[in-house]
Amino acid sequence: AQTVTQSQPEMSVQEAETVTLSCTYDTSESDYYLFWYKQPPSRQMILVIRQEAYKQQNATENRFSVNFQKAAKSFSLKISDSQLGDAAMYFCAYMDMRFGAGTRLTVKP
Amino acid sequence: DADVTQTPRNRITKTGKRIMLECSQTKGHDRMYWYRQDPGLGLRLIYYSFDVKDINKGEISDGYSVSRQAQAKFSLSLESAIPNQTALYFCATSDYAYENEQFFGPGTRLTVL
Repeated sequence: AQTVTQSQPEMSVQEAETVTLSCTYDTSESDYYLFWYKQPPSRQMILVIRQEAYKQQNATENRFSVNFQKAAKSFSLKISDSQLGDAAMYFCAYMDMRFGAGTRLTVKP
Repeated sequence: DADVTQTPRNRITKTGKRIMLECSQTKGHDRMYWYRQDPGLGLRLIYYSFDVKDINKGEISDGYSVSRQAQAKFSLSLESAIPNQTALYFCATSDYAYENEQFFGPGTRLTVL
């Protein structure tokens, strides 16, 4: 069974700085999708970014980018120029049914 | 209006009571899911359905049942609620055409006393 591991329960970043959230996964499949979701205090789950495994290029969405290392089965999320509104729980997901335990990100003003 | 709705948004119940959480979607997706979220454990899959006649257990289905009444409706039942079922419950939908991206409802906060 595929598993998703987020080894950082909590992270903290200064406003305007950069932070990287880690995620590793286990799968025997060759083609799949990976996702990062954000859950702000409102508890609504929001898609941040997706990566298709067969694409070599790392996905980017404005200040959010990923470092996808397929061989290492690693999928980290980099948030640049952190803003107060980035404070939330972040979940890494493999396809549509496997989620990591989450990382709580705090942004300090 | 929200694409995926859940009712109720919050519920407090007592041990042993039967409770139903309802989910409706207007996205036209075939796939629907129920998850529970607990601190430190992330989202864990309870049940999922790929179409009206397809129901599958997830990793933590014991103590839960589901009903897919229509493409747009997927209900989760706790036949006899117990305190360790206190959690945040999410319904989600997806469509293969959207690369398995999940679209979530607003969540139901359930407390079992």
